[in-house]
Amino acid sequence: KQEVTQIPAALSVPEGENLVLNCSFTDSAIYNLQWFRQDPGKGLTSLLLIQSSQREQTSGRLNASLDKSSGRSTLYIAASQPGDSATYLCAVRRYSWDTPLVFGKGTRLSVIA
Amino acid sequence: DTGVSQDPRHKITKRGQNVTFRCDPISEHNRLYWYRQTLGQGPEFLTYFQNEAQLEKSRLLSDRFSAERPKGSFSTLEIQRTEQGDSAMYLCASNVILDHTGQETQYFGPGTRLLVL
Repeated sequence: KQEVTQIPAALSVPEGENLVLNCSFTDSAIYNLQWFRQDPGKGLTSLLLIQSSQREQTSGRLNASLDKSSGRSTLYIAASQPGDSATYLCAVRRYSWDTPLVFGKGTRLSVIA
Repeated sequence: DTGVSQDPRHKITKRGQNVTFRCDPISEHNRLYWYRQTLGQGPEFLTYFQNEAQLEKSRLLSDRFSAERPKGSFSTLEIQRTEQGDSAMYLCASNVILDHTGQETQYFGPGTRLLVL
């Protein structure tokens, strides 16, 4: 059974810092990995999607890497801003594009002005 | 394209009552998913549809839960004889494969927050 773990569970940083969120998964046979953002009481917004054949994806100040063989992914946020405060969720898709996502519990990020 | 919508956004009910939630996916998306999220946890898969066919159900989906997607458009999730443990955010998502590379994009709705008293 695929399990996804995110470390740390919570993180508080001053504005302007660069930071790294970690995600690990137990079964390396994944189709893709996705990072989401969730604001309190709201739905999920997709940030980055990495196919199993890719090593990283970038969008603005965000960079996600994937090491499938070791079962790890990181989300790097550069020059953090108070507006980045949210919960960040990592999810993997098992073996094809339409199989359900398996989520971690998330990292709750607070960026202090 | 107005995104995935869910109705209602909030529902408070008494234990033992039945509730029904609705999800309207993005119009051309043929895959539709239901997830449940409790406080401090990530979303957990419940069930998903390809058009009107229900392809997979999680063991979390007890016999008190039923989901339908008539005509492959909107979907409903019904919970019968609600229990306090059913209190959660119920999230709907839809996706479609974009091109020959298999790149897909997934969109989530805002969720329905259920509180069972």
